[in-house]
Amino acid sequence: DAGVIQSPRHEVTEMGQEVTLRCKPISGHNSLFWYRQTMMRGLELLIYFNNNVPIDDSGMPEDRFSAKMPNASFSTLKIQPSEPRDSAVYFCASSLDRKAFFGQGTRLTVV
Amino acid sequence: AQSVTQPDIHITVSEGASLELRCNYSYGATPYLFWYVQSPGQGLQLLLKYFSGDTLVQGIKGFEAEFKRSQSSFNLRKPSVHWSDAAEYFCAVGEETGANNLFFGTGTRLTVIP
Repeated sequence: DAGVIQSPRHEVTEMGQEVTLRCKPISGHNSLFWYRQTMMRGLELLIYFNNNVPIDDSGMPEDRFSAKMPNASFSTLKIQPSEPRDSAVYFCASSLDRKAFFGQGTRLTVV
Repeated sequence: AQSVTQPDIHITVSEGASLELRCNYSYGATPYLFWYVQSPGQGLQLLLKYFSGDTLVQGIKGFEAEFKRSQSSFNLRKPSVHWSDAAEYFCAVGEETGANNLFFGTGTRLTVIP
């Protein structure tokens, strides 16, 4: 298996623009997580899905953030409009039996 | 509520020396415990996990960790550190029932000097 695949690896965008981050989980995994990593706040769980259903989105910082999982093999995290403070590395992880595997992350820079 | 504390933000060891990274957790029930490693520019890789049974668990790359319920700890150890072990290490706790998410500590950055 190729592991968790995230795209793009790097994204630079202007403040106010919409940003969409994409994730393909490992086939057969039933949970998917979106994390954000910054120097100041470390790793923060934004949202997670079980069997494509959002379970806990209490970590989503604002209404500007939204996440979807239309099927078992794809998820998106959207920020609209983006702000400079959203600059971070965003990780997607998928898990089965509580063993989580992480993608390589998307480094987002909002200027 | 679940929480994980990694008291050491940064540790420096000499190559060949032994290593112990500390992790303390707070969780009311039986925890699921994990150690992850993150190399620069990479995602997190699972080193080892504890679910139940033997409290000393072996992981990849020569790492081991010991679960001590009385101390609410799950410290990571390695008898002889290699330069390639330089990375950031995260301890995480998962819930026994219900939610499937992980709660991460703030990480410990390991520097290995020749």
